[in-house]
Amino acid sequence: QVQLQESGPGLVKPSETLSLTCTVSGDSISSPYWTWIRQPPGKGLEWIGYYYYSGSANYNPSLKSRVTISIDTSKNQFSLKLTSVTAADTAVYYCAREASVPGSLAFDYWGQGTLVTVSS
Amino acid sequence: DIQMTQSPSSLSASVGDRVTITCRASQSISSYLNWYQQKPGKAPKLLIYGASTLQSGVPSRFSGSASGTDFTLTISSLQPEDFATYYCQQSYSTLKTFGQGTKLEIK
Repeated sequence: QVQLQESGPGLVKPSETLSLTCTVSGDSISSPYWTWIRQPPGKGLEWIGYYYYSGSANYNPSLKSRVTISIDTSKNQFSLKLTSVTAADTAVYYCAREASVPGSLAFDYWGQGTLVTVSS
Repeated sequence: DIQMTQSPSSLSASVGDRVTITCRASQSISSYLNWYQQKPGKAPKLLIYGASTLQSGVPSRFSGSASGTDFTLTISSLQPEDFATYYCQQSYSTLKTFGQGTKLEIK
């Protein structure tokens, strides 16, 4: 059974960097695609980006200048860094696996989510 | 960006009702359409992928269909555990996008 678990600070100051880690069990981090998605309180879902096992990453253009997703194969983890945060970045952050399924790609496994609040 | 427009935004229904939620893509996405269910305080759960294929373990009262750029999620007979928010999501584009969600409430 694949499991994902987010970890990281729940409170980040404005202009600082948000850093989260997702620990994966039950699957190798060396398979595609490892994804971050966020959800502001009371709002919908926003795709942040993914890391592809070949070594490439792809980001939402709205966040691209501030986002980095990376993996640590030795720990079977992948990470999110979001720089220069503002209150608009306050959200529940989910890590997820995007898998190739017949006729599509889908987020089939998710972490439980972690709330990150941006506030001084 | 491919825009995904869900309707309705909210819906009140009773246990046993048949419910339909619609999602329209702003351009052709073939069958690259997925449906998720989200309950309060929980991560979304994959229900249907490829527009019409039921994820393993999902009850058969859930079904999905497609017609061009219009996609439909149907729940044939609502159960108490089905009251939640539902999202469609396209995976045709590298930039993945979700619908705004449909909140299904008890009447």
